[in-house]
Amino acid sequence: ETGVTQTPRHLVMGMTNKKSLKCEQHLGHNAMYWYKQSAKKPLELMFVYSLEERVENNSVPSRFSPECPNSSHLFLHLHTLQPEDSALYLCASSQDDPRSTDTQYFGPGTRLTVL
Amino acid sequence: RKEVEQDPGPFNVPEGATVAFNCTYSNSASQSFFWYRQDCRKEPKLLMSVYSSGNEDGRFTAQLNRASQYISLLIRDSKLSDSATYLCVVNIDGSLASGSRLTFGEGTQLTVNP
Repeated sequence: ETGVTQTPRHLVMGMTNKKSLKCEQHLGHNAMYWYKQSAKKPLELMFVYSLEERVENNSVPSRFSPECPNSSHLFLHLHTLQPEDSALYLCASSQDDPRSTDTQYFGPGTRLTVL
Repeated sequence: RKEVEQDPGPFNVPEGATVAFNCTYSNSASQSFFWYRQDCRKEPKLLMSVYSSGNEDGRFTAQLNRASQYISLLIRDSKLSDSATYLCVVNIDGSLASGSRLTFGEGTQLTVNP
């Protein structure tokens, strides 16, 4: 399935590096999300964008900076991360139409390791 | 108290067995309920939505009890390919405006053995 794609699939970075995660959805959806999934913990919502406007930031540290240039693309810019930020970062999208269900479709994720 | 709480698992069952997963949620205003499936090192995928009237999709049956704030998933005649982590998911916010806010349970791991 290629509805929601993410790059890179794997990333290893040092604490002083700056990197970006990319997400693209081909479903014509209006809402996009970043989630963090750590080992043995539930998915944690990080950011929600609706029609390219950020509508929620769940108290995420400023070392994570999202960007949504259009309704199909979402980025997560990373800088000065900590080892505890190592996790699977998942992007998702949904229709965001009150007339439809709010099912979210996930990308394959970027597995991030911070050394 | 966790917003969404699932059976801790893991469940190990033989092929052909029937297995049931339970989930409770804390916010009575929750509007939408789902079961997602996540295979090892893969992304979550929607398995089925859960409706008050209950719904069935082949070997899978989902039930919702709003009064008890309880959701269940029943898998009959389990297959090896059913081995995965099953995530109970609730739209706590209840609003469909400005993006949906799903809250995930920790998941229950199922292994179906030959």
